[in-house]
Amino acid sequence: AQSVTQLDSHVSVSEGTPVLLRCNYSSSYSPSLFWYVQHPNKGLQLLLKYTSAATLVKGINGFEAEFKKSETSFHLTKPSAHMSDAAEYFCVVSVGTGTASKLTFGTGTRLQVTL
Amino acid sequence: DTAVSQTPKYLVTQMGNDKSIKCEQNLGHDTMYWYKQDSKKFLKIMFSYNNKELIINETVPNRFSPKSPDKAHLNLHINSLELGDSAVYFCASSKTGWSSEKLFFGSGTQLSVL
Repeated sequence: AQSVTQLDSHVSVSEGTPVLLRCNYSSSYSPSLFWYVQHPNKGLQLLLKYTSAATLVKGINGFEAEFKKSETSFHLTKPSAHMSDAAEYFCVVSVGTGTASKLTFGTGTRLQVTL
Repeated sequence: DTAVSQTPKYLVTQMGNDKSIKCEQNLGHDTMYWYKQDSKKFLKIMFSYNNKELIINETVPNRFSPKSPDKAHLNLHINSLELGDSAVYFCASSKTGWSSEKLFFGSGTQLSVL
């Protein structure tokens, strides 16, 4: 069975400083890994995904994540936080074949950005 | 145009009532999903449909019955509502349902059972 663990439930950074949101995964097979963002009272939006191509994945809004198989990690980073980045971030693993694949979500990390 | 739209956005009802949430996607996707997000923000899949066929049915009480009249619509009917059903329900869709695909989410339906 696959799972993801988001190591921090809450991260607070100052505007303009780097962001690091940590995620470890567990999967018996080659996983697809995603980061989704949820702004208050909104649906989820894909930030980026890893699907066994390049290990460094670039996403929208300046975010990127690096897949490290040896560490079973997929941490999300951004060089400089912006106030609009304040949201809930979910690390997600997807395993399965055909149309029966399903996503398993982490418990989320709330990112707070202060002035 | 909203890609995945669900109605209503808010639903407040009494225990024991029956209610429905509707979802429509205009992306031409084959697969649609219902997810439940609890008060701690944890998201869990409930159902998935591919071309109107039920594919994933997690351990959800049988008071919950999804219905897909066509591949663009996936509705969720809930009978005999209980306090524990209070949550935000998200509809989503993807092109084929394969594991590497992006999901497109609706903006959620906040269900409050009193």
